[in-house]
Amino acid sequence: GQQVMQIPQYQHVQEGEDFTTYCNSSTTLSNIQWYKQRPGGHPVFLIQLVKSGEVKKQKRLTFQFGEAKKNSSLHITATQTTDVGTYFCAGTYNQGGKLIFGQGTELSVKP
Amino acid sequence: GAGVSQSPRYKVAKRGQDVALRCDPISGHVSLFWYQQALGQGPEFLTYFQNEAQLDKSGLPSDRFFAERPEGSVSTLKIQRTQQEDSAVYLCASSLWTSGYEQYFGPGTRLTVT
Repeated sequence: GQQVMQIPQYQHVQEGEDFTTYCNSSTTLSNIQWYKQRPGGHPVFLIQLVKSGEVKKQKRLTFQFGEAKKNSSLHITATQTTDVGTYFCAGTYNQGGKLIFGQGTELSVKP
Repeated sequence: GAGVSQSPRYKVAKRGQDVALRCDPISGHVSLFWYQQALGQGPEFLTYFQNEAQLDKSGLPSDRFFAERPEGSVSTLKIQRTQQEDSAVYLCASSLWTSGYEQYFGPGTRLTVT
């Protein structure tokens, strides 16, 4: 079935270190979205990738969509304590916007 | 403007009770989604509306779960005869249209079944 796998489950970094989370789907995605959920909060949209090989940047965050549209990554450069939270990828498969979420990567940043 | 709102924020139900969870989407948003999020997991899709039409209910775990959006705005998720495994956060999200649009999530309703 349609499933999005995300690794790692947890990442603990020292402030200033880089962070990367990876998502993989066994079947081709229509598009992929990334969300951030702070502890006790709700998912907040970060970005959407649609095109094969697409790369988008938001300040210290870099998002990539694989050439085959089956994988994606989020890279944060020089983490800050404000980056703490769980990062989710969520893919769609041409089914009316239904999002299939990965398990999330929980990022903790030690000052 | 106002975001997505959900009520109640917290609900404790005894096993076997019925519950109703409400979602007020962003005004003008055509699509409305319900997700279930267990502790430490990603949200799991339950059902989706485009205006008042329920286009996908493939994620509803059993026939005890029922959702409606009769006038294409407010939606209610009803769970009959609650079980302990129903304990989770229920998230509602709305988007301007369907696929390809960001989803705006509400704060969620935390349901605890005792």
